[in-house]
Amino acid sequence: KAGVTQTPRYLIKTRGQQVTLSCSPISGHRSVSWYQQTPGQGLQFLFEYFSETQRNKGNFPGRFSGRQFSNSRSEMNVSTLELGDSALYLCASSLGGAVTKQYFGPGTRLTVT
Amino acid sequence: GIQVEQSPPDLILQEGANSTLRCNFSDSVNNLQWFHQNPWGQLINLFYIPSGTKQNGRLSATTVATERYSLLYISSSQTTDSGVYFCAGAQKLVFGQGTRLTINP
Repeated sequence: KAGVTQTPRYLIKTRGQQVTLSCSPISGHRSVSWYQQTPGQGLQFLFEYFSETQRNKGNFPGRFSGRQFSNSRSEMNVSTLELGDSALYLCASSLGGAVTKQYFGPGTRLTVT
Repeated sequence: GIQVEQSPPDLILQEGANSTLRCNFSDSVNNLQWFHQNPWGQLINLFYIPSGTKQNGRLSATTVATERYSLLYISSSQTTDSGVYFCAGAQKLVFGQGTRLTINP
């Protein structure tokens, strides 16, 4: 089975712009979760989608949003980018959500200048 | 919310040595997982271990759910074991700050 894929792998954006990241889960997995990793805050949960519905949300501002499509692929969007949004964004797929084994993608490294 | 503490924060060992990494939770979790992050940022799931003991080659893990801690054992370390090890758990998968392991040849 193919693993979790994320596109793009690297991205450079300017403050104030918006960005969309994509995640394709392992075939058969219906849950996709998103995480932000920064040197200062570590790994933080953004949100989880299961069968196109957001099931859980972390403590991030409304500029961070996501969605999931009927084929379980997920996108996350960050609007009005700030310098502090520079981070590694990781998505994970699983059969049943965060309470089941999580399989992570390679991540998208976002740099905001 | 749940707090996750990992110790030690850093560990430097020679190839062939054994090590024990610890993870403490402030509240009970039913989905404790251990991950290894390689230098390129990829997180690999090592164990899904809500309770009990599991082994996979040179790695093993034990979770004592009633006392809210988990241990990861690495035996006969190799340079490829270097990286950051994270434990995580809870509904919104709370991560610890990680243990950075460096294995010198």
